[in-house]
Amino acid sequence: GAVVSQHPSRVICKSGTSVKIECRSLDFQATTMFWYRQFPKQSLMLMATSNEGSKATYEQGVEKDKFLINHASLTLSTLTVTSAHPEDSSFYICSASHSGRDYNEQFFGPGTRLTVL
Amino acid sequence: GQNIDQPTEMTATEGAIVQINCTYQTSGFNGLFWYQQHAGEAPTFLSYNVLDGLEEKGRFSSFLSRSKGYSYLLLKELQMKDSASYLCAVSDSNYQLIWGAGTKLIIKP
Repeated sequence: GAVVSQHPSRVICKSGTSVKIECRSLDFQATTMFWYRQFPKQSLMLMATSNEGSKATYEQGVEKDKFLINHASLTLSTLTVTSAHPEDSSFYICSASHSGRDYNEQFFGPGTRLTVL
Repeated sequence: GQNIDQPTEMTATEGAIVQINCTYQTSGFNGLFWYQQHAGEAPTFLSYNVLDGLEEKGRFSSFLSRSKGYSYLLLKELQMKDSASYLCAVSDSNYQLIWGAGTKLIIKP
């Protein structure tokens, strides 16, 4: 149980285009979903936290107008990178947590590797 | 500020034992997680400690001392597939995970 899927796994796009990444909890209802970015040889950097039906909480330094997050249901959250530029190229990972758990373990999706040309 | 420290890289031999340390300073504490991350993949959960002591799970064990702000992950009978980064993360007073930079573990034959 506690499987999180992410789509697409890999995307290459031209500079200036927008890219949408989907994160789904397949067998549980995720009360909270998290979006991370990871640059090569660096640790996970939390971008934003989102609860179903409410606006996402963005970390300092993350532009909310550039990284649009929608958490419309308990099983789906989307991250849209708007007007992507080469410096947005990174590994984007979502995770989900379930309030019914004894502790706030985060279940991670497989990640999306974004390359902006 | 909040801070998680762990070594950047460690090397060990197949079949041996290795201990990866993690020290933390956070605003509040609601548990410590260890995750394994292979290159190009997402992290996978290894262990969770919220009380002092040792939690054993197969070849992997995790230890916590809250008074010292210290944890370690112990890997026994190392296998080549254990080559990965190991991430220490602490759940703070807001239940937000504060991540360490990760320890890259290299296993040599």
